[in-house]
Amino acid sequence: QKEVEQDPGPLSVPEGAIVSLNCTYSNSAFQYFMWYRQYSRKGPELLMYTYSSGNKEDGRFTAQVDKSSKYISLFIRDSQPSDSATYLCALDQTGANNLFFGTGTRLTVIP
Amino acid sequence: DAGVIQSPRHEVTEMGQEVTLRCKPISGHNSLFWYRQTMMRGLELLIYFNNNVPIDDSGMPEDRFSAKMPNASFSTLKIQPSEPRDSAVYFCASSLGTNEKLFFGSGTQLSVL
Repeated sequence: QKEVEQDPGPLSVPEGAIVSLNCTYSNSAFQYFMWYRQYSRKGPELLMYTYSSGNKEDGRFTAQVDKSSKYISLFIRDSQPSDSATYLCALDQTGANNLFFGTGTRLTVIP
Repeated sequence: DAGVIQSPRHEVTEMGQEVTLRCKPISGHNSLFWYRQTMMRGLELLIYFNNNVPIDDSGMPEDRFSAKMPNASFSTLKIQPSEPRDSAVYFCASSLGTNEKLFFGSGTQLSVL
């Protein structure tokens, strides 16, 4: 079993829709939870960073962590065509950047 | 700042050849990471350096892979001899410290024929 599981999609939504992206994990030692966005032919860029359980909001983006279920989510409100990218979850045990990445979900927002 | 710079952007080589990938981290960053990305396995950490010293190379797949960081502004990842299963996108990333935000380069697309 992989450390982190993520549905690869692809996921297509109309502009303005709410998008829900999810990852599950098996190791309860993970304490730091991140979402990265990767545009085509580019490196990943950090989008959201959460420590332990709870919610974090940044503009149209909300990250949720449920450690009891080993389940993390990223919600995108009022999705825009510019949100079209691959979204990767990443988990870390110690905060030392030894990251375990999901395989990514490819999202397309249709104008 | 120019960000993390990787070269070449694309590399096509034949099985058995030596491949060298290069990375220039963001100035002032003292942690550097090499990742490999494939469709099947996603992003995997190969090795990371802190203050030019290799800290964890447990992700390096085989002895065919080696990485060096001779100074704070340059690192190489070498594959010798290369094999078709090494085909992937190789990313370099740097951070101010091991618990600071990671900045990725644009990657090197490696194809081994």
